[in-house]
Amino acid sequence: EAQVTQNPRYLITVTGKKLTVTCSQNMNHEYMSWYRQDPGLGLRQIYYSMNVEVTDKGDVPEGYKVSRKEKRNFPLILESPSPNQTSLYFCASSSGAGAYYGYTFGSGTRLTVV
Amino acid sequence: KQEVTQIPAALSVPEGENLVLNCSFTDSAIYNLQWFRQDPGKGLTSLLLIQSSQREQTSGRLNASLDKSSGRSTLYIAASQPGDSATYLCAVRPGNAGKSTFGDGTTLTVKP
Repeated sequence: EAQVTQNPRYLITVTGKKLTVTCSQNMNHEYMSWYRQDPGLGLRQIYYSMNVEVTDKGDVPEGYKVSRKEKRNFPLILESPSPNQTSLYFCASSSGAGAYYGYTFGSGTRLTVV
Repeated sequence: KQEVTQIPAALSVPEGENLVLNCSFTDSAIYNLQWFRQDPGKGLTSLLLIQSSQREQTSGRLNASLDKSSGRSTLYIAASQPGDSATYLCAVRPGNAGKSTFGDGTTLTVKP
């Protein structure tokens, strides 16, 4: 089944403890992206990647890192999480950057930083 | 900077009613517009994608239209059902294929 898989689904952590949220897609998509969703603020893009080793900042990149060493994986790294990073996170992928292609989203990761 | 607005923020209708959800955007230089459905606490499920060269797309009881020149898209839901209750979001993919922009969504409640 074609899908985007995020892990973990739920995570509670303490301030300052480094964590990684994994994202993997099995559709050979070039384009991958991370979003966070907060009440009243909607979906905001954190980082995106047009292809392997090509990443760029979205609207809210502060406090996050990403890497794209393989086409299928696009992990989101929080080096020193803070409570304001408590949010619902989504990974998405797309076959390309043209008009024909839409996004496929993962099921989300609910992160709580205490 | 692209801005995407969805009005109304919330909508409640009786079962069986036909309804229209609206999405407007400020920059008409787009590759495509995609409509999603999101159930509470869940991921986004793609409903319809309209390429910039297209006027509309249909899937079952759903019909989405796009008017690029006026910066508007509508999602028409026919014969609404309680199972249609969810938040509906639109997303605009820019011509430079970089950052996409999402609307804040319309939360639909269909009452039995």
